[in-house]
Amino acid sequence: AQTVTQSQPEMSVQEAETVTLSCTYDTSESNYYLFWYKQPPSRQMILVIRQEAYKQQNATENRFSVNFQKAAKSFSLKISDSQLGDTAMYFCAFMLTEGAQKLVFGQGTRLTINP
Amino acid sequence: GAGVSQSPSNKVTEKGKDVELRCDPISGHTALYWYRQSLGQGLEFLIYFQGNSAPDKSGLPSDRFSAERTGGSVSTLTIQRTQQEDSAVYLCASSLASGQFYGYTFGSGTRLTVV
Repeated sequence: AQTVTQSQPEMSVQEAETVTLSCTYDTSESNYYLFWYKQPPSRQMILVIRQEAYKQQNATENRFSVNFQKAAKSFSLKISDSQLGDTAMYFCAFMLTEGAQKLVFGQGTRLTINP
Repeated sequence: GAGVSQSPSNKVTEKGKDVELRCDPISGHTALYWYRQSLGQGLEFLIYFQGNSAPDKSGLPSDRFSAERTGGSVSTLTIQRTQQEDSAVYLCASSLASGQFYGYTFGSGTRLTVV
C-alpha cells in the first residue's frame, strides 16, 4: 500500500518570503503521479502542481515549484514570494498511473502567511 | 455545470438517523470519487465510480455507508444509522476518464455533524 507523510503540521512565514513544505511517500511502484493540493477555508481542494514520476525535470507553476527526488521518495513544494492568499492547508498526494486512479493524501500542512 | 456541485453544504443530524449527500460532477467527467475528511485529518478515500464499471467500494468504512451513481452522472452517498464518528466533511471529485490523468476537480464538500 502507498503512504504519504507530511511531517510539518503547521508553518508560518512573513509575506514575500519563500517557504518549503515537505512530503515523503512510500511505494514499490515506479510509475505514478504526485500532487500538491491547496485547501482554503472554502474547503474546496485546488490543484497547485503535479509531477509525473518518469519526468526528471521538476514541475513549476508560476511561484510554485517542486523538488522531486525519486530515489529518496521526496516531493517538497516551494512557494516563492509568498502572498496572503497562499494561507491554506496544503496536501501532498500520490496516485498510481495504473489501476483505479485513487489519490492517497498526506495529513496536510497548515500554512499561514503573515502580513 | 462549471464545477462539481455538492449539496447540502452543511448537514446536522441526530445520531441514528439516515442522511443522503449529493454530488453533481462536471459534465462529461466519467470518473467520480468520494472522500471523507475528519477534523484536522487528511482525506480518506471512500468509493470510486468509473463509467459503467462496478464501483471500487474498498474505502467504505462500514456497511452503513453506500453510494450510487445514476445515469453516469449524479451520485448520492448514503449513511444509515449515523454515529458521532461519522461527523466529517465529505468531499466529492470528478475527472475525465482514467488512462489520461488531468487531475481531479473537487466540490466544496458537505460538512456533516452528528449530534
